[in-house]
Amino acid sequence: QQPVQSPQAVILREGEDAVINCSSSKALYSVHWYRQKHGEAPVFLMILLKGGEQKGHDKISASFNEKKQQSSLYLTASQLSYSGTYFCGSGYALNFGKGTSLLVTP
Amino acid sequence: DAGVIQSPRHEVTEMGQEVTLRCKPISGHNSLFWYRQTMMRGLELLIYFNNNVPIDDSGMPEDRFSAKMPNASFSTLKIQPSEPRDSAVYFCASSLVAVNQPQHFGDGTRLSIL
Repeated sequence: QQPVQSPQAVILREGEDAVINCSSSKALYSVHWYRQKHGEAPVFLMILLKGGEQKGHDKISASFNEKKQQSSLYLTASQLSYSGTYFCGSGYALNFGKGTSLLVTP
Repeated sequence: DAGVIQSPRHEVTEMGQEVTLRCKPISGHNSLFWYRQTMMRGLELLIYFNNNVPIDDSGMPEDRFSAKMPNASFSTLKIQPSEPRDSAVYFCASSLVAVNQPQHFGDGTRLSIL
């Protein structure tokens, strides 16, 4: 069963923050996050492996709550380049959520 | 370093024709994944291989779809006969065999079945 992402879409002004959530009804042992720009391939952002693990990449970070079977992606001080669709994936051969479309406007 | 290479980038063909999509994984990667992306269903895993052996093909929609990996540097996804509902973007991805390894995606093949 694929993870559920929320929100489905979000529009931000440059500099604002956003949170994207990913939850699963099945146990999560790892969570992958990818970003896909229109017409391009998904690009890897980060993997979280342990409950409570947090990682950061530039101003994008993520947390993983194994007990709650959920992960959140935090985008801080968003930039125009952050626009795209964000996917979380679970399992080794990734079972992706439907994605969250993020648009950052000037 | 060369990334995952897929061909063709675009394919337009008529219903009933055989379609073959090709993928060359990153050298040294021993896991290969085929995904399909549509607006309705999102990004779906079709099949994956470890060390050239198919591990899970439960995502392959029906018998019209088949995938092979004859060696570590080449894989094909074949649809025969093709149908309009097969129209989608097909991605190939590769990684090392380990849960903490990222998958690297090719640019995809945009398939249109008329």
